Amino acid sequence: EIVLTQSPATLSLSPGERATLSCRASQSVSNYLAWYQQKPGQAPRLLIYDASNRATGIPARFSGSGSGTDFTLTISGLEPEDFAFYYCLQRSNWPPVTFGQGTRLEIK
Amino acid sequence: QVQLVQSGAEVKKPGASVKVSCKASGYTFTSNYMHWVRQTPGQGLEWMGIINPSGGSTTYAQNFQGTVTMTSDTSTSTVYMELNSLRSEDTAVYYCARDTVGGSGLIDYWGQGTLVTVSS
Repeated sequence: EIVLTQSPATLSLSPGERATLSCRASQSVSNYLAWYQQKPGQAPRLLIYDASNRATGIPARFSGSGSGTDFTLTISGLEPEDFAFYYCLQRSNWPPVTFGQGTRLEIK
Repeated sequence: QVQLVQSGAEVKKPGASVKVSCKASGYTFTSNYMHWVRQTPGQGLEWMGIINPSGGSTTYAQNFQGTVTMTSDTSTSTVYMELNSLRSEDTAVYYCARDTVGGSGLIDYWGQGTLVTVSS
């Protein structure tokens, strides 16, 4: 089973700043890596799929990069609604699909 | 628009079973596989398995083999997840989540979640 490790666990930033979130896989997942946003009391929402493709309706300030074992989600110019939890998912070698443990993006 | 509407919260005693439903709309039900994922504070997001609503074939995560059963009803566009022999550690929010196409493993839409509490 592929283990995904996200860092940092918590990221404290101010609106307007740039956020950089990391997801590292225990073995190569090629580009089969997705990112989700989750707000309290809500279901996750797909942001990025296949490492760098924005899902439908996702603002351009969200971008993804990486391949193999190291991936990054960047949010350029944080908006108040961006403060939430973020999870990565790999589907390279599944089942099982596996998730990272999440990064909490909080307002500084 | 795609909607996945799940059944309401449940409270169960240890050893009991729970069955959660997920009614799909806004797309052709049999065209997309459906995952079940649970979320706990301690374990985060945990994949439980997947069902092909067209035909009912399933694949379960190793941790849930023998305790989970996923079924589908094409007449009502509903999938079900039944978890048996509940323990306190099964207290979680359970989500159904649609696969994009052909069992790719990519989840694009999620239900609103169903809180299952296991307590004596």
